[in-house]
Amino acid sequence: QKEVEQNSGPLSVPEGAIASLNCTYSDRGSQSFFWYRQYSGKSPELIMFIYSNGDKEDGRFTAQLNKASQYVSLLIRDSQPSDSATYLCALGDDMRFGAGTRLTVKP
Amino acid sequence: DTGVSQNPRHKITKRGQNVTFRCDPISEHNRLYWYRQTLGQGPEFLTYFQNEAQLEKSRLLSDRFSAERPKGSFSTLEIQRTEQGDSAMYLCASSPTELNTEAFFGQGTRLTVV
Repeated sequence: QKEVEQNSGPLSVPEGAIASLNCTYSDRGSQSFFWYRQYSGKSPELIMFIYSNGDKEDGRFTAQLNKASQYVSLLIRDSQPSDSATYLCALGDDMRFGAGTRLTVKP
Repeated sequence: DTGVSQNPRHKITKRGQNVTFRCDPISEHNRLYWYRQTLGQGPEFLTYFQNEAQLEKSRLLSDRFSAERPKGSFSTLEIQRTEQGDSAMYLCASSPTELNTEAFFGQGTRLTVV
């Protein structure tokens, strides 16, 4: 069984702070990794994907991948109240999701 | 194209009845995924297709669940002999075949079993 584990949260940060979200996985064969955001009552939407070890930056978001440690993370810089949502890690061709981490950014 | 379309949006059924949901993916998206999501949980993988081929089905599912994608376009998910534990949001997503491309989600079908 492919496992995708996320820090359960909830995570609360003040506006302007850095939010750090983590995900570990069991399938060493996974080659693609995704971070989705899901607002309450809505469907998930892609934030970014990463497939190479190291960092990938897109605006205020940075994804970090370490295949040796089977670990992928998402950093949100200058967090805004509009970032309050559940963040989902997904991986592999079959797009397996973790349970998600609920983030609240307080003004 | 208006995106991934799921029908119906809501379904209330009595325990023991069969239900069928439909998903129309984005045109030319070869991959199609089905998930089940309950409150506070991430999307739980059910199955996925590459064109008309069902490549994987979750071992967590009982034989009451079946999915088809007969012509590689729309897909149906059927649940037989529904149970109260089947109450959830059923999500469909589609993506191109290429590696590292975004999967787009439909708005889901909310099933309530009474």
